[in-house]
Amino acid sequence: SQTIHQWPATLVQPVGSPLSLECTVEGTSNPNLYWYRQAAGRGLQLLFYSVGIGQISSEVPQNLSASRPQDRQFILSSKKLLLSDSGFYLCAWSDPYSPLHFGNGTRLTVT
Amino acid sequence: EDKVVQSPLSLVVHEGDTVTLNCSYEVTNFRSLLWYKQEKKAPTFLFMLTSSGIEKKSGRLSSILDKKELFSILNITATQTGDSAIYLCALTRNSGGSNYKLTFGKGTLLTVNP
Repeated sequence: SQTIHQWPATLVQPVGSPLSLECTVEGTSNPNLYWYRQAAGRGLQLLFYSVGIGQISSEVPQNLSASRPQDRQFILSSKKLLLSDSGFYLCAWSDPYSPLHFGNGTRLTVT
Repeated sequence: EDKVVQSPLSLVVHEGDTVTLNCSYEVTNFRSLLWYKQEKKAPTFLFMLTSSGIEKKSGRLSSILDKKELFSILNITATQTGDSAIYLCALTRNSGGSNYKLTFGKGTLLTVNP
């Protein structure tokens, strides 16, 4: 069966520091991968999605970037964090046979 | 732009009550509507609806879609404290391929008191 791993679970970073969040999927090949952010208002906002290695689509302009160096690995990065980057970040995957399945999320606090 | 509106935004009930959560939407080229339950961390998948009028059921939860009036409801009967969660409604559109980009509503926060 498929599993998705996301880490770290929580992170506190100062403004201006870099960020790297990692997500890996097991048990499936060539999944679609997604990064969502959930802010205090509770809606989930799609940040990036990827349909294959090296293919990244950005949904909203922001201070973040994403990369997919391997088929089942998705990384969310920033060179310099802003206070507004605080939030709950969720990685997710899908394939032609299933809707989105989410990782457990990373709660990021930028201080 | 795709739009998903959930109501109410929050709801407090007592164990044993029945609740109905609402989700209305606007989308070009609708593909599916999904419901998720989010407790502390990852949203977990509940239902995917693609056709009008066909009820999906899982235990005490059920959901139905009305593609003419552009809404869906999620019913929970005989609520339990374990049903306390945020319930998220999301939709996908036909954009070619198997891409499941979801547009989410803000969610309904359900609190079930003993």
